[in-house]
Amino acid sequence: QSALTQPASVSGSPGQSITISCTGTSSDVGGYNYVSWYQQHPGKAPKLMIFDVSDRPSGVSNRFSGSKSANTASLTISGLQAEDEADYYCSSYTTSSTYVVFGGGTKLTVL
Amino acid sequence: QVQLVQSGADVKKPGASVKVSCTASGYTFSSYPISWVRQAPGQGLEWMGWTSAWRADTKYAQNFQGRVTMTTDTSTNTAYMELRSLRSDDTAVYYCARLRSSGWYGDYWGQGTLVTVSS
Repeated sequence: QSALTQPASVSGSPGQSITISCTGTSSDVGGYNYVSWYQQHPGKAPKLMIFDVSDRPSGVSNRFSGSKSANTASLTISGLQAEDEADYYCSSYTTSSTYVVFGGGTKLTVL
Repeated sequence: QVQLVQSGADVKKPGASVKVSCTASGYTFSSYPISWVRQAPGQGLEWMGWTSAWRADTKYAQNFQGRVTMTTDTSTNTAYMELRSLRSDDTAVYYCARLRSSGWYGDYWGQGTLVTVSS
């Protein structure tokens, strides 16, 4: 069982917006602004999409945005495109002995 | 450009050890820690720990304490992850990533190394 809770799957049509949630505790998501999001296409390495809750690395589309409220972080993808279909993982710093915890991952399907 | 290139796939028997390498280029290797993450087939990501040549420090996730060793060689800009006493449930793709410790995220990732544990 993953330390952070994500929905197993979400879906949306091209052009729509979707939001993926990531729920933790005050020891991780709620306690620090160290939430990141990764995109992973089948057979590929994860790619950083969001760091420090809402910052985007250079080169990542501004259709991707992040936010946080209390113990839940969210990734929103606007203007869905076929290439956005992938698995998405959230991650957070944690005060537990693991230092970093991941969510279980969310499969995004673009209908 | 920043690149992390990992060693090739490996097959090991239960009880053996495996050592995966991760060679960095395009940045000052010793300035950033390297983290290791694994992904079992069809499963999610699992944090294993990190090692820093600059801080001469290493931290392991509790699940791997006593069974993993992470090291760096600054002469070759290479990080290593050795996992011992392998079990079938250690079968996974192992990734290295450059760790931004300011925010605890990996900004550049290696291509992954498949380690298969099978008798």
